[in-house]
Amino acid sequence: TQLLEQSPQFLSIQEGENLTVYCNSSSVFSSLQWYRQEPGEGPVLLVTVVTGGEVKKLKRLTFQFGDARKDSSLHITAAQTGDTGLYLCAGAKNAGNMLTFGGGTRLMVKP
Amino acid sequence: EPEVTQTPSHQVTQMGQEVILRCVPISNHLYFYWYRQILGQKVEFLVSFYNNEISEKSEIFDDQFSVERPDGSNFTLKIRSTKLEDSAMYFCASSVVTSTDTQYFGPGTRLTVL
Repeated sequence: TQLLEQSPQFLSIQEGENLTVYCNSSSVFSSLQWYRQEPGEGPVLLVTVVTGGEVKKLKRLTFQFGDARKDSSLHITAAQTGDTGLYLCAGAKNAGNMLTFGGGTRLMVKP
Repeated sequence: EPEVTQTPSHQVTQMGQEVILRCVPISNHLYFYWYRQILGQKVEFLVSFYNNEISEKSEIFDDQFSVERPDGSNFTLKIRSTKLEDSAMYFCASSVVTSTDTQYFGPGTRLTVL
């Protein structure tokens, strides 16, 4: 059974602070996707990482895929209240395969 | 920008009734998926579909569930006899099979079984 563990589960910070969310597994994934999900809506894709050690930047968000492709992190610089939400990581063993989701990190950014 | 659409957004049904949830995947995508999310829990994989047949399914996807691509655009999930525990958000997703294989999700159908 593949498991993706996300940490922390909850994070409450002040606007302007930096934060890092972690996604860890004992399994190797061919790709790992990060999504953001609002209440009552579907997951919205932020980024896909596929190469071990890959780093991708999306404005103030930096995503890294571990060298062994078993873990990933999401770093947010100078968080804003608009970053508040549920962040999900999901990994696939192979192209076209099911995604295994982490439990999510619920982020609250206070003004 | 192309997106996955789902109907209805909310379905309320009585236990034991059949429901069909509908999805229109992104037009050039080849893989289609159904996931569900029980309130407060993780998103769970149900089934994937490629080339008009199921390619992978989870333990959740038992004989009460079936999927179909009735025409060139729709992808449906049928639950034959709903149970209370089937109440959840059901998400359809689709992907182009490439090295990145990103799955794009629809907005979901909230199924409430009474």
